[in-house]
Amino acid sequence: DADVTQTPRNRITKTGKRIMLECSQTKGHDRMYWYRQDPGLGLRLIYYSFDVKDINKGEISDGYSVSRQAQAKFSLSLESAIPNQTALYFCATSGVRQGRTEAFFGQGTRLTVV
Amino acid sequence: AQSVTQLDSQVPVFEEAPVELRCNYSSSVSVYLFWYVQYPNQGLQLLLKYLSGSTLVKGINGFEAEFNKSQTSFHLRKPSVHISDTAEYFCAVIWNSGNTPLVFGKGTRLSVIA
Repeated sequence: DADVTQTPRNRITKTGKRIMLECSQTKGHDRMYWYRQDPGLGLRLIYYSFDVKDINKGEISDGYSVSRQAQAKFSLSLESAIPNQTALYFCATSGVRQGRTEAFFGQGTRLTVV
Repeated sequence: AQSVTQLDSQVPVFEEAPVELRCNYSSSVSVYLFWYVQYPNQGLQLLLKYLSGSTLVKGINGFEAEFNKSQTSFHLRKPSVHISDTAEYFCAVIWNSGNTPLVFGKGTRLSVIA
C-alpha cells in the first residue's frame, strides 16, 4: 500500500459544484501539503499544515479550503469549482519532527472542471 | 517573497552526454535543498537532498548536485545520461532550517535523444 494515498485519482466535475479531494498517510508525519501542478508553472503551494491545529495558506489559496481531520488526514475542498482549477493536485507529507525533512508525494488527483 | 528559479524550462541532450540542470534560490539564509524527478504520468520522487555538511551531494540514478552558498545555487548534474532519464526535474527549497514550507521551482523538462 502507498504511504501517501490520494482519492479520487481522477475526477470530472461541473462548474459551480463543491468537490473534496482527500489525502491520507501512514508515515506518521507531522506536516502535510497540498500543491497543484500546471504545465510550465511547476508545483504551487495551496495550503500546508505543520500540525493538526496549524493550517496555513500557501501561494494560491483563493477558491480552496482545507481540513486537517487527524494527523494522518488532510482534505482539500473546492467550494465552487471553476474551469481554471483544472489541474493535477498533489498531496505531500514530511516528518520534520521525525528527522525526515524531504516531502513524500501521493500519486496525484487529476481534476477537470467543465 | 522567497523564490526558486530553474533557469531552463527544457533541456534536450543526446544520450551519453553530460547534463547540468540549473537551480537558484532567493535569500542566503539557512536552507534545505532538494531535487525531485517526475516521470510521465507519475508522482514525484526524491533524487537527492542537501541539509548540511559536504556541499557535493550524490543521489540516485547517478545524479549529483552541488550547493553553492555564495551563488545561492544548487545545480544538478549527471556525467552521462540515458534515455530513461527523460523526465521533469524540480528543484525545491525550505528556508530557515525547516520552519517554512517546501517551495518548488517551475521545473526543467529533460529530453534525452538517442
